[in-house]
Order: sequence, then structure tokens, then C-alpha cells
Amino acid sequence: SYELTQPPSVSVSPGQTASITCSGDKLGDKYACWYQQKPGQSPVLVIYQDGERPSGIPERFSGSNSGNTATLTISGTQAMDEADYYCQAWDSSTVVFGGGTKLTVL
Amino acid sequence: QVQLVESGGGLVKPGGSLRLSCVASGFTFSDYYMTWIRQAPGKGLGYISYISGGGSSIYYADSVKGRFTISRDNAKNSLYLQMNSLGAEDTALYYCARMWAVAGSDDAFDVWGQGTVVTVSS
Repeated sequence: SYELTQPPSVSVSPGQTASITCSGDKLGDKYACWYQQKPGQSPVLVIYQDGERPSGIPERFSGSNSGNTATLTISGTQAMDEADYYCQAWDSSTVVFGGGTKLTVL
Repeated sequence: QVQLVESGGGLVKPGGSLRLSCVASGFTFSDYYMTWIRQAPGKGLGYISYISGGGSSIYYADSVKGRFTISRDNAKNSLYLQMNSLGAEDTALYYCARMWAVAGSDDAFDVWGQGTVVTVSS
């Protein structure tokens, strides 16, 4: 079965750029989405179609996808961005989520 | 406003059954595929099942195939998940989510409910 691998944790200083990776076999041939989940809250879609932002998502969130890796980039990271982030893709009509990355802003 | 509200969770003994419901509002429910996604305590997201707008296309994750049944009633703007033969591994927060058919791309989950908790324990 298809797997997506994320680093368990990423740390970033306020105002700096955070990058969270998601790896999967030929992931660049698929479309990647990213979801943000803050403690006690439901996930929120922050990136779809590799790099598109839904309405209401700040411009500091961006995404890319090439080769075997999709990357979520948060520019000018703010304390409010501290959360778990999950990548997601489709494989043969099946939904696949990455294991999640805890982003710490310190 | 667009909203999904789940209900039906609770404590159930191993081998038992439970039926979850998700009521949608603020959008034309029948126009959208819908999905159930779960999250075990302290763990990541896990896809369970999804169903087409008319209910004719249904997919299940291998982990629940044969035990769980997804259905919908478009007249009631409702999505359901019938869960049978429950085990401890099914303990989780269960979310319903709307599948957004992005033009030229794969579907994304753009609206999520607040979730309902299912605990399987003797």
C-alpha cells in the first residue's frame, strides 16, 4: 500500500521559515494537500493541488511537489502556526495521509 | 454557513455496534462526495470510507471493509457510518468531511465536522 512519510517534528523561530516535508514514491506525479490541526480542533485544509491556498488561508502558507517529495512552507512563521500538519494524497482511489508533523514555534 | 455536525459516538463493548450520523447544512449536500476519517488518541488521521453524492460509489479502507457500512440520506442531508464488530483498535475521534472536487486535481477535504468520540472497551 502507498505510504507518505513526514518528520515527527519540526521547530522554527518566530518570523523564520518553516519547511515540512512529505515523502512518497513518485509523489510528484500525484497532487498533495496539507491540513493544519491545532490541539482540540478539527483539521483545516491549508494547501490543495500541491500549492493552492483555500480562501482565508494566509499567504505565508505555500506548497510545492516534485519528484518524491511535497513540501509545505510557512514564511514568517507566527506563534499561531504551532500545530500538527498532515499531508494527504490519493492513490488508486484510496486516501492516504502522512503520519503528521508537529510544528513547534519557539 | 457551511457546517457538519457528527453524533452517535459513545462507549461500546468489544464486538458491539454503533451508528454514527453527520448532518450537513449550508450547502447542497447531494452535490458532494462525503467521507469518514478517524483519529485514534494521540495519533494521526486515518481514512475510513467515502461515498458519492448519489450513493452509488462507495470505497472502504481495508481495515474496516466488511465491518463498517457508509450510507447517506440526501433528503435529510445526512451521512451515516454503521460500525459492527468493533474492537479496541476502532477507538478514535470520528470526523465526517466534505470532499471538494478540485478542477484538474484530486479531491481535497475542505469542510470538517467537530468529530464524535467512539470508545471500545469492556
